[in-house]
Amino acid sequence: AQRVTQPEKLLSVFKGAPVELKCNYSYSGSPELFWYVQYSRQRLQLLLRHISRESIKGFTADLNKGETSFHLKKPFAQEEDSAMYYCALRALNSGGSNYKLTFGKGTLLTVNP
Amino acid sequence: DTGVSQNPRHKITKRGQNVTFRCDPISEHNRLYWYRQTLGQGPEFLTYFQNEAQLEKSRLLSDRFSAERPKGSFSTLEIQRTEQGDSAMYLCASSQQGGSYSYEQYFGPGTRLTVT
Repeated sequence: AQRVTQPEKLLSVFKGAPVELKCNYSYSGSPELFWYVQYSRQRLQLLLRHISRESIKGFTADLNKGETSFHLKKPFAQEEDSAMYYCALRALNSGGSNYKLTFGKGTLLTVNP
Repeated sequence: DTGVSQNPRHKITKRGQNVTFRCDPISEHNRLYWYRQTLGQGPEFLTYFQNEAQLEKSRLLSDRFSAERPKGSFSTLEIQRTEQGDSAMYLCASSQQGGSYSYEQYFGPGTRLTVT
């Protein structure tokens, strides 16, 4: 079974401070990890995926298979980063479902001025 | 707007009534997904289509739920004899097909169902 855990429901930081949103996963096979973001009154959208190893809007995330984590980080938070962030997993091996996403419960990030 | 669209955006119904939601995916996408999101939770997978074939249904999808994608384009999700526990946001997503590589799933705005 696949499981994604986001331990923090709420995270509040000041503008310019570093931010880290935690994500841990449980899956016996080879996973693909994603971060999705939902800004106020907007639809869910992909922020980044571990395969691409990109920095999007200043955010990065590294897959740590030893710790089964995929934490999202940004060195200097901006007010426009305030949103709900969801970590998601997709199974890659042939024994798992290679299409559906399993989401965590989400972390609401608030960046204060 | 060429993104995924869903109708209606909001639906209020009385317990026991049937409701139907529609999802129009991005036109070149042959994969379509339905998720359900309740308060305080992330989206949960319900079912998945590749073209017109429904390839998987979650155990969350009871016999009262049925989904179709008759021509491999738009999809409908019907809930019969609605219950208060069905109140949720129903999300649709679509993506291209890509072997072991997962193309991005694009989400619609959702249909918020309230069962009174």
